[in-house]
Amino acid sequence: KAGVTQTPRYLIKTRGQQVTLSCSPISGHRSVSWYQQTPGQGLQFLFEYFSETQRNKGNFPGRFSGRQFSNSRSEMNVSTLELGDSALYLCASALSRGGTEAFFGQGTRLTVV
Amino acid sequence: GQQVMQIPQYQHVQEGEDFTTYCNSSTTLSNIQWYKQRPGGHPVFLIQLVKSGEVKKQKRLTFQFGEAKKNSSLHITATQTTDVGTYFCAGGVGGSNYKLTFGKGTLLTVNP
Repeated sequence: KAGVTQTPRYLIKTRGQQVTLSCSPISGHRSVSWYQQTPGQGLQFLFEYFSETQRNKGNFPGRFSGRQFSNSRSEMNVSTLELGDSALYLCASALSRGGTEAFFGQGTRLTVV
Repeated sequence: GQQVMQIPQYQHVQEGEDFTTYCNSSTTLSNIQWYKQRPGGHPVFLIQLVKSGEVKKQKRLTFQFGEAKKNSSLHITATQTTDVGTYFCAGGVGGSNYKLTFGKGTLLTVNP
C-alpha cells in the first residue's frame, strides 16, 4: 500500500512569488490535513479537508489556501511568499475525521529567498 | 484557542537511562495521540489514548492519559540509540469540528 506522497520534495522560491504544493493521500483516505513545521514553532495546523470541503482552519493568513479534489488529492497554495514562510510543509492523511491515526508524507521543504 | 504544552523541549540521556516527556492541554481533550519523528524524517504515529486514566504499553514505551483528560505522558525505559528523535503529543478536541493540536515536541538524544 503506497504511503502519502508529497510533491515536490524541495522548492526554492523568491519573495513575492506563489507556490503550490501537492499531496496524494493513502488510497481510501478521505481526510487530508496540512501542517507547517519550523524549528521554533513545531507543527502548526494549517487546514483540514474532508470530502472536498475545508473542515477546519488554523491561524494562518489568507495567503495560505488549499483545496481537495474528488479523488482526495489535495493542494495547498501560498501566495505572495515571505521569508518567514520557509518551512517544511507536511501533509497527513487519515481514513476519517475525529481521532483516527494520521499518516504523514515526507513533506515539502520550501525555502523563500 | 486550545494550547498543548510539552516539556521538556530537549532531553539528553545516556543509553540505558529512562526518559519521560509530559504534555498538558489548556482544555479537556477527546483523545491524545503520540508521534515520533526521526531526524530528517516525518512524524510517525505511535499510539492514541481515549479513556480517562488510560495506560498503554508498547515494549519499553508507556503512555498515560490523565484522569481529567488534560495531560499525558510518555515514558521510555532503558533508552536505546534507536529511540533518538522528537516525540510529539497531539490533543484532539471536538466532534464535528474535530481539531488536532500538536505540542512543540521533545527532542531526545541518546549517548551510546
